[in-house]
Amino acid sequence: DTGVSQDPRHKITKRGQNVTFRCDPISEHNRLYWYRQTLGQGPEFLTYFQNEAQLEKSRLLSDRFSAERPKGSFSTLEIQRTEQGDSAMYLCASSSTNPTSGGTYEQYFGPGTRLTVT
Amino acid sequence: SQQGEEDPQALSIQEGENATMNCSYKTSINNLQWYRQNSGRGLVHLILIRSNEREKHSGRLRVTLDTSKKSSSLLITASRAADTASYFCATAQGGSEKLVFGKGTKLTVNP
Repeated sequence: DTGVSQDPRHKITKRGQNVTFRCDPISEHNRLYWYRQTLGQGPEFLTYFQNEAQLEKSRLLSDRFSAERPKGSFSTLEIQRTEQGDSAMYLCASSSTNPTSGGTYEQYFGPGTRLTVT
Repeated sequence: SQQGEEDPQALSIQEGENATMNCSYKTSINNLQWYRQNSGRGLVHLILIRSNEREKHSGRLRVTLDTSKKSSSLLITASRAADTASYFCATAQGGSEKLVFGKGTKLTVNP
C-alpha cells in the first residue's frame, strides 16, 4: 500500500507527558501537512512542509507543539506537557506540486492518530 | 476559525435517492475540495474543483461552484448505504496551501 501512513493509530497518555507521532507521506509527494480534528468538527490546519522546510504554522500550534521533517520524507509531531484539551485526532496529509505551474494537487490523508489525554 | 459552512448539518435519505449538500465560504479561493470521512477514520478525497471551473463530475458525484455566491454543492446520485459518512468541503485560499474545512454534513443512507 502506497498511501499515507501514521503511527501510532491510538495513544493514551497522562496529562503532562510528552507524545510523538509519525507520518509517512506518499513517496513522491513533496508537501506534508498536519491537521487536528475534534469530535463533530472539521479538521483544523496546524502546519505544513515543502520538502524539509516548514512553510506555515497555525496560531493553534502553541510552543508545546513542534513538527519536523528532517530529510524531506517522514515527519514527526511532538506535543510536550500534554493537556486534556490536546485530546483529538491528529491527521497527516501529503500532496505534490505541478512541476510547471507550481499549483498544488489534492491532499491525501492518512488514517490519523487518536490521542486521549487522561 | 473554520471558513466553510456545510448545509444541512445532517441528512437522512433512502437508498436510491439523491443527496445534495451545500457549502458556503467567506473569502476568495484557489480551489475547493470535497472529502468523505467514515466514522472515526481518515478523510478520503472525492473531487477538486478549481476557481475557474463551474461544474465537475466523477462517477455518481457532481460538484458545482459559484464563486460569485461563494458557494458549492455536492450531489450524490442513486445513493447507497455505503455512502453513509460525513462530507466536508475544504478551500485553499490565496497563497496558502493549507485547507480550511467546514464542520461537515453527516449523511445517512438507509437501506
